[in-house]
Amino acid sequence: DAKTTQPPSMDCAEGRAANLPCNHSTISGNEYVYWYRQIHSQGPQYIIHGLKNNETNEMASLIITEDRKSSTLILPHATLRDTAVYYCIMVPGGTSYGKLTFGQGTILTVHP
Amino acid sequence: NAGVTQTPKFRVLKTGQSMTLLCAQDMNHEYMYWYRQDPGMGLRLIHYSVGEGTTAKGEVPDGYNVSRLKKQNFLLGLESAAPSQTSVYFCASTRGGSPSGANVLTFGAGSRLTVL
Repeated sequence: DAKTTQPPSMDCAEGRAANLPCNHSTISGNEYVYWYRQIHSQGPQYIIHGLKNNETNEMASLIITEDRKSSTLILPHATLRDTAVYYCIMVPGGTSYGKLTFGQGTILTVHP
Repeated sequence: NAGVTQTPKFRVLKTGQSMTLLCAQDMNHEYMYWYRQDPGMGLRLIHYSVGEGTTAKGEVPDGYNVSRLKKQNFLLGLESAAPSQTSVYFCASTRGGSPSGANVLTFGAGSRLTVL
């Protein structure tokens, strides 16, 4: 499994964009980049995922570098409700699917 | 609502007691996982299953046993509880194995276990 490195914590002002980085320098060709978040000890929730192209949905945007060794999750207009722990994980596609491990994640604090 | 249900939500045990946490999913998912989360820490994988009748060890399997006798259920057992097993336990499931990478994990609400 590819390992990920995320900053332990980040701050963001309400209404501003939150940019959360993730390094995954050992990612393999069939691994997808997935982002989840966990709000106040609830079960983690899926945000977005991608393979090599940038992706956008109603929650966030995902920017993956061309060499796929790092990515950035962008919350375009952060609100207080976006305060949470954000996890970046690598997920293999196809038949190699199985073990899924999470790292420590980034604690994002959105302040007024 | 379809999803992942964990029971019980809260439990207090004495050292040496045994108990079983139940995870049930109604989405016909193939893959199921048990994680633990200690205060201020990330999720650590205990055991997982890639299908009915199969189980595999994760990062921190010691002191736990699991069974997947039915596809929809994944049980986590503590044979002799220790204070170090005080934690919040999360179950998750996913269809898995999608060539397109659409392998979204659905998590339960968590089970908070305290071992005295």
